Amino acid sequence: DTEVTQTPKHLVMGMTNKKSLKCEQHMGHRAMYWYKQKAKKPPELMFVYSYEKLSINESVPSRFSPECPNSSLLNLHLHALQPEDSALYLCASSQDLPTGNDEQYFGPGTRLTVT
Amino acid sequence: GQQVMQIPQYQHVQEGEDFTTYCNSSTTLSNIQWYKQRPGGHPVFLIQLVKSGEVKKQKRLTFQFGEAKKNSSLHITATQTTDVGTYFCAAPRSSASKIIFGSGTRLSIRP
Repeated sequence: DTEVTQTPKHLVMGMTNKKSLKCEQHMGHRAMYWYKQKAKKPPELMFVYSYEKLSINESVPSRFSPECPNSSLLNLHLHALQPEDSALYLCASSQDLPTGNDEQYFGPGTRLTVT
Repeated sequence: GQQVMQIPQYQHVQEGEDFTTYCNSSTTLSNIQWYKQRPGGHPVFLIQLVKSGEVKKQKRLTFQFGEAKKNSSLHITATQTTDVGTYFCAAPRSSASKIIFGSGTRLSIRP
C-alpha cells in the first residue's frame, strides 16, 4: 500500500467554526508533513512530524494545530480561520527521518474554503 | 535564505514538440527531486538525482543534475497530452530537515 489518504476532500467552513483535517498512511513511514498550496503556487511546508514528534513548525499561526496520534495518523485542527487560509492542504509522508533525501508521498489533499 | 529558481513559469507547446524546465540554486545541493502535479491533483514524485553530472531517463523524460550540483533540468521528448501538468523541482534546505519546492513550470499542450 503506497497510498496516503486524506479526509475530507472538500471542506467549507465559517470563520468561527472548528474543524479537523485527517491524514493516514500505512507504509510505515516515520516522517509526516502538512503543506498548504495556493492556486498556481508550489506547496508551502507548514509542519513536520518525525517519529510522532513535532520537529518543524514553519511559524504557522496558532489557528492551525497539528496532532500526530500515532505513526499512521496526522491531524490538522482548524479554528477561527481567515478567508485567506482557503487553499489546498496536502499531507505527505516519507520513509525515515525528514532529511530532505527521501521521496515524499502526497495525499490527494483537502480543498478548504473559509467563508 | 536558500531558494530554488525554476524557469519558465509557463510553457504551451504543440503536441509532439519537446519541453524543458530548468532549476537553479545559488548554493550546492545534496540532491534534487522532481515532482509532477496534474491539474486538480497532488504532487507525485518522479525522480531524485544525487550525483554530480547525473543523467537519468524515464521513457520520454530525461533528468540532468549539473556538474556543480547547482542546477537541474527535466526534458520531455515528443510531448503527449498526458504530460500536461505542473513540474516542480525540490531540494533539501541546507539548515533544516525539509525540502523547498521551486516555483514550478506549468505545461499545457495543443492537441
